[in-house]
Amino acid sequence: RKEVEQDPGPFNVPEGATVAFNCTYSNSASQSFFWYRQDCRKEPKLLMSVYSSGNEDGRFTAQLNRASQYISLLIRDSKLSDSATYLCVVGLIGAGSYQLTFGKGTKLSVIP
Amino acid sequence: EAGVTQFPSHSVIEKGQTVTLRCDPISGHDNLYWYRRVMGKEIKFLLHFVKESKQDESGMPNNRFLAERTGGTYSTLKVQPAELEDSGVYFCASSRIQGGNTIYFGEGSWLTVV
Repeated sequence: RKEVEQDPGPFNVPEGATVAFNCTYSNSASQSFFWYRQDCRKEPKLLMSVYSSGNEDGRFTAQLNRASQYISLLIRDSKLSDSATYLCVVGLIGAGSYQLTFGKGTKLSVIP
Repeated sequence: EAGVTQFPSHSVIEKGQTVTLRCDPISGHDNLYWYRRVMGKEIKFLLHFVKESKQDESGMPNNRFLAERTGGTYSTLKVQPAELEDSGVYFCASSRIQGGNTIYFGEGSWLTVV
């Protein structure tokens, strides 16, 4: 079982649509949770942290369910500029070191 | 403020050759990480420096990989001898403190071994 699993997509959606991404993680000791965005042949960039209480940043809403080890990202009113790969990432401190574990990513294409 | 910079951005070498990748972290960031993504796989942790010390190198695939961070500033990752399966993108990242929301990634060094 992969440590972080995501639907690889691709998700092809029209502008203005709402799209949801899901992710599950296997290590119950994971301590922090994130969505990163990666554009083609670029570095991953932090989109938002994810908290159990749920958090929102403009059109983006993230949710964490620790009991089921499930993370979600909702994008409302999709823009062309949202086209990218979205990476589900969990963080864990062990042996004095902080490691990020990445999912393979879900590719989103927003179509005019 | 300059971001994390990596050199070279692209490299094509033959199997058996040596390649050295360099990373300059953001100034003042004691934590420096190397990650890599090989074809069709997810980004994976390689190792973590705190200043010049290797805090965790549990992700290094084998002894053909050697990372250094002399003086606690820039870091190098040497692959010797390179194998075909080493092809991929090697990301360096840095942070002032340990924590996922403070880690900044460089644009990566794309390595192709032929």
